Amino acid sequence: NAGVMQNPRHLVRRRGQEARLRCSPMKGHSHVYWYRQLPEEGLKFMVYLQKENIIDESGMPKERFSAEFPKEGPSILRIQQVVRGDSAAYFCASSSGLREKQYFGPGTRLTVT
Amino acid sequence: GQQVMQIPQYQHVQEGEDFTTYCNSSTTLSNIQWYKQRPGGHPVFLIQLVKSGEVKKQKRLTFQFGEAKKNSSLHITATQTTDVGTYFCAGSTPDSGGSNYKLTFGKGTLLTVNP
Repeated sequence: NAGVMQNPRHLVRRRGQEARLRCSPMKGHSHVYWYRQLPEEGLKFMVYLQKENIIDESGMPKERFSAEFPKEGPSILRIQQVVRGDSAAYFCASSSGLREKQYFGPGTRLTVT
Repeated sequence: GQQVMQIPQYQHVQEGEDFTTYCNSSTTLSNIQWYKQRPGGHPVFLIQLVKSGEVKKQKRLTFQFGEAKKNSSLHITATQTTDVGTYFCAGSTPDSGGSNYKLTFGKGTLLTVNP
């Protein structure tokens, strides 16, 4: 059973460009969570999605950030007009249900130059 | 909002010594989870504690959840070089719907072990 997949693993963008991060949950999981980790920090919750629905986006900046989890395909975290402060590791996790443990993907390390 | 504090931030030990990291929440938790993250890696789930005063053991690792469900600890006996990594606690509180999905992570304790 393949784990949570994320791609790309490393992404370099210039200021002002767009970053698209993809996450494929574990097979059978319909709950997806995105977290951001700054260097030497813990993970910060960003958004929780189920198929085609955003359940909770309270941790996501209101501007430039958006997330989706379409009926078909991976979940996408999109960052428009990236700035240096967006440089971080972005982790996706999935679970089979609300109270089930979350399995984390390998992360996407975003560097904004 | 909910805050989870974790101490110490760093801990360096000689192989064979014990190690403990502590986690304190500003609010009562529904449950607490512990994760380990190797350098350059991703968080790997270790355990979840739910009950007040709960103690769980995994080989050399002992996890405790405080009586008030606001603090927790992870203790490693006789550390090995394979224990190197950052240990995070993550707590959740129920939302208005009774769900426990939103994890608030501590900043972690980076453990290094000298062979």
